[in-house]
Amino acid sequence: ILNVEQSPQSLHVQEGDSTNFTCSFPSSNFYALHWYRWETAKSPEALFVMTLNGDEKKKGRISATLNTKEGYSYLYIKGSQPEDSATYLCAWAGNMLTFGGGTRLMVKP
Amino acid sequence: ETGVTQTPRHLVMGMTNKKSLKCEQHLGHNAMYWYKQSAKKPLELMFVYSLEERVENNSVPSRFSPECPNSSHLFLHLHTLQPEDSALYLCASSQVPGQGYSPLHFGNGTRLTVT
Repeated sequence: ILNVEQSPQSLHVQEGDSTNFTCSFPSSNFYALHWYRWETAKSPEALFVMTLNGDEKKKGRISATLNTKEGYSYLYIKGSQPEDSATYLCAWAGNMLTFGGGTRLMVKP
Repeated sequence: ETGVTQTPRHLVMGMTNKKSLKCEQHLGHNAMYWYKQSAKKPLELMFVYSLEERVENNSVPSRFSPECPNSSHLFLHLHTLQPEDSALYLCASSQVPGQGYSPLHFGNGTRLTVT
């Protein structure tokens, strides 16, 4: 069974805190790793597509790293804001795109 | 209008009904997808179409029947569904399918309730 696991499942932080979550995926047959942000009542929105071991991507206060040899990716949010509240999904592109269960982030003002 | 549009947003149907979900993309993409999200489960891939040809059918029951008449439109025809089919159905598109190098662009989804 090829599983994509995300941890934690949910996270409550205060405004201004920095936070990070983990995506674990099979290290074999790797093509790409995607991160998406899914706000309530909206559609999932792509943040990053990462393909190379050691890749680091950044978009504003959000950044991600990738380790394909050990099969994990971290997503970091610096100085969390209430508008960062969303579910963050990762997806592993092996034979087909397989999603993790997501990390639900709630940022309190 | 831009992006990926899904209709209807909400649908309630009985087990003997026949209904269809519609998806339209205005991004010039070559691939379209149907995903299902049930409560407390990850997104599950149902179907992939590339250049209007079905390239993936992820062991989906035959009561779900996809149709892709052209690269901009995708339908999911539903008949004799079961209550456990109640879920959020998301449509997505991407530049190219295959090894997942292109990000997916999602619609807002159809919330389906089967009574």
